[in-house]
Amino acid sequence: DAGVIQSPRHEVTEMGQEVTLRCKPISGHDYLFWYRQTMMRGLELLIYFNNNVPIDDSGMPEDRFSAKMPNASFSTLKIQPSEPRDSAVYFCASSFLDSATYEQYFGPGTRLTVT
Amino acid sequence: GIQVEQSPPDLILQEGANSTLRCNFSDSVNNLQWFHQNPWGQLINLFYIPSGTKQNGRLSATTVATERYSLLYISSSQTTDSGVYFCAVTPSQGGSEKLVFGKGTKLTVNP
Repeated sequence: DAGVIQSPRHEVTEMGQEVTLRCKPISGHDYLFWYRQTMMRGLELLIYFNNNVPIDDSGMPEDRFSAKMPNASFSTLKIQPSEPRDSAVYFCASSFLDSATYEQYFGPGTRLTVT
Repeated sequence: GIQVEQSPPDLILQEGANSTLRCNFSDSVNNLQWFHQNPWGQLINLFYIPSGTKQNGRLSATTVATERYSLLYISSSQTTDSGVYFCAVTPSQGGSEKLVFGKGTKLTVNP
């Protein structure tokens, strides 16, 4: 399996622009998570989906952030409009929850810089 | 919410030395994972270990769920072990599947 795939790997944009981050989870996994890593706050969950349905979006910072999962193999995280404080590394992770394991697998991340 | 504390925050070793990293958590957990974040920023799964002991080469981990801590052992360290080691847990209570991360231990292995 190719693992969790994220694109782009790096994104540089100007304040006010729309940014879309993309994620393809591991095939067969039914949970998908979006995390953000910053120096100040460390790694924290933004939102997660189960079977394409958003379950917990309590970590989404504000209305400028939105996430969708139109099918089992694709998710997007959108920031509109972007601000310099959104600069961070955004990770996507997926897992398959059965009775034996809850292990999450992470993608390589998207490093976002907003100038 | 659950608290995850890792110690030490920083660790500097000479190549070949052994080390122990600790993770304390404040409530019962369904999931505990150890990750290595390499210098390129990638999060590498080391162990899924909500309880018990596992070994993988020079690395091993033990979680004592009843006492709410986990230990990661690195033996005969190599320069490629450098990076940040994160412990992350999913609380048993609350119904969420999210991972809550500690602040990490930054390991530097010098040649």
